[in-house]
Amino acid sequence: ETGVTQTPRHLVMGMTNKKSLKCEQHLGHNAMYWYKQSAKKPLELMFVYNFKEQTENNSVPSRFSPECPNSSHLFLHLHTLQPEDSALYLCASSQGVGTDSEKLFFGSGTQLSVL
Amino acid sequence: KQEVTQIPAALSVPEGENLVLNCSFTDSAIYNLQWFRQDPGKGLTSLLLIQSSQREQTSGRLNASLDKSSGRSTLYIAASQPGDSATYLCAVNQAGTALIFGKGTTLSVSS
Repeated sequence: ETGVTQTPRHLVMGMTNKKSLKCEQHLGHNAMYWYKQSAKKPLELMFVYNFKEQTENNSVPSRFSPECPNSSHLFLHLHTLQPEDSALYLCASSQGVGTDSEKLFFGSGTQLSVL
Repeated sequence: KQEVTQIPAALSVPEGENLVLNCSFTDSAIYNLQWFRQDPGKGLTSLLLIQSSQREQTSGRLNASLDKSSGRSTLYIAASQPGDSATYLCAVNQAGTALIFGKGTTLSVSS
């Protein structure tokens, strides 16, 4: 148990569906992240929120829409996805961003399949 | 732009062997480097974090070294066990950006 909880664990959706991924951290951290992990590729950073403000958007398509209502919760809203978006989506949190003491804590991920 | 490379991509060893996983990075201006473990379909678990001023860190059977000037880190696993089978990822931490990861080394330890 890392203190970062992601739901759902698995999600199958059609290309016309709208769904949301949820992440919650109980560590009192100020920064939260979305990463995408596809087979044979490095983890790809998608979004970073620091103190609820988005500080990084790594050229992510607009069919992925993040939301950070507070420092403990992070959502990723999905709509009109493509089959190539199928991947493991990982949420992480840390005390700060890009500091010398930054240590990331990851959730278990949501395995997404787009049909 | 920072790039992190891990070799080998996959490694199979019999139980009891000592082994070394390699990580290299192109920009030596880092705060620290972390090694993570990932089990299939799961999230990442932090194993060791080495600050840029440190040369190595140890935790149980794991020892991570860092040579910042040459852009290299190694993860040494002593007396490997089947339970060590997983993917091991390294990531570097730089100013003003989130961690940058390598692709990982998938380790299989047979009994």
